[in-house]
Parts: sequence; C-alpha cells; structure tokens
Amino acid sequence: EAEVAQSPRYKITEKSQAVAFWCDPISGHATLYWYRQILGQGPELLVQFQDESVVDDSQLPKDRFSAERLKGVDSTLKIQPAELGDSAMYLCASSLYPTSGSGSYNEQFFGPGTRLTVL
Amino acid sequence: AQKVTQAQTEISVVEKEDVTLDCVYETRDTTYYLFWYKQPPSGELVFLIRRNSFDEQNEISGRYSWNFQKSTSSFNFTITASQVVDSAVYFCALVLSGGYQKVTFGIGTKLQVIP
Repeated sequence: EAEVAQSPRYKITEKSQAVAFWCDPISGHATLYWYRQILGQGPELLVQFQDESVVDDSQLPKDRFSAERLKGVDSTLKIQPAELGDSAMYLCASSLYPTSGSGSYNEQFFGPGTRLTVL
Repeated sequence: AQKVTQAQTEISVVEKEDVTLDCVYETRDTTYYLFWYKQPPSGELVFLIRRNSFDEQNEISGRYSWNFQKSTSSFNFTITASQVVDSAVYFCALVLSGGYQKVTFGIGTKLQVIP
C-alpha cells in the first residue's frame, strides 16, 4: 500500500541550530503539503506545492522557514535558526491534483510526521 | 474565511459507553467537504470519513456514525460501545471545493476510553 514517507521521525535540536525534514509523497501525487501541529492544536498548513511550484505559503514564517520541491517529487522543509516555539509535529501530506468545481475533491494522505523538540 | 470549532477538548468515557464528538463549522461557500480524522498516539492522521455539502445523509460504519446537519452547521461523530483502542485525538476538518482546497482543521477532541 502506497504511503507518504517522512524522515526523521524524531528530531531534537538546540535553539539557533538548523534542521531539515524530508517528505516523499505517494507516487503520482502532484500536490504536497507541509503542516505544523503544535501540541493540543490542529494541524496548520505551512506550505502547499503543486508540482514544483508553491501555491500557498501564507502561513510560512519566511524569515526562518524554507521549503522546496525541486523536481516536483520529494520535498524538504528547513528551519534556520530553530527557536523554542518551533517545537511541534511537522506533518507532510500528498494528494492528486485538486480539481475545481463542485462534487470533486482529492483526499490528502498523511505521513507519520516528524516530532521536533527545540531545547 | 472558514472555521471549525470542536468545543470539547477532552472527553473520558468508560469502555462500552457511547460517546459523541461535536463539530461546528463556518463557511459562506455552498460547496464544501467535511472530514473526520483520528490521530492515535503514534501521530499519523487516519482518515475516517468524508462528506460533501450536498449529501446530508447520515452514515454508519460499524461502531462509528456521523450526523451531518446543514441547518445547524454541525457534523457530529458518535462512537457506539467505545473501546480502549478508540482512545485518540479526533479532528474535524473543512475543505472548500475549488481552488487549491486548503484544509481547515479544528483543534481536536482528545478521547480517553477507560477500561
């Protein structure tokens, strides 16, 4: 069964260090999402890719976060420098192309997440 | 802008009791999708159900059932005869049709089923 892969599963880092997370979506899924989930809250979209292009990064703290999906397949999310408030679960999801119009939706499939702890 | 409210942050029930998780949503769009996801301690979000705004039929799947009422903008989730394995955080989510289909999640309801 196809799955979204993420690594590492757990990451502990010190404040001001750089961290990077990797996501490999389900094969054939053109849309890739990165979410941040702070403990006790629901996931919040950080960035959405359509193939290699960013289509929504309105909630991405661009002074320290960056995301890329160079070949339109796997993706990397980077934080530099990490801050204490960045401690959270980072979830990746993928889906087929969203289709416009009523009655259509392509479900997002989630990976296991990367749990980041910043000390 | 759309919003999902899950007023119950934590619920505890004794095994075999029925429990209902509430979800209220806000949107001005007429076409949208509602979801429930389960997040066990392992962290992965597990899809449970999807409902589009044109289909108000309630649904039952085993011990799970969902009650969608557009008149009250609610999409409630009931677990019958709860089991310890049902212990998890449950999220309700809303997606608007069209565009890039951004998902808006509620804050989640943590369900603890006590043996």
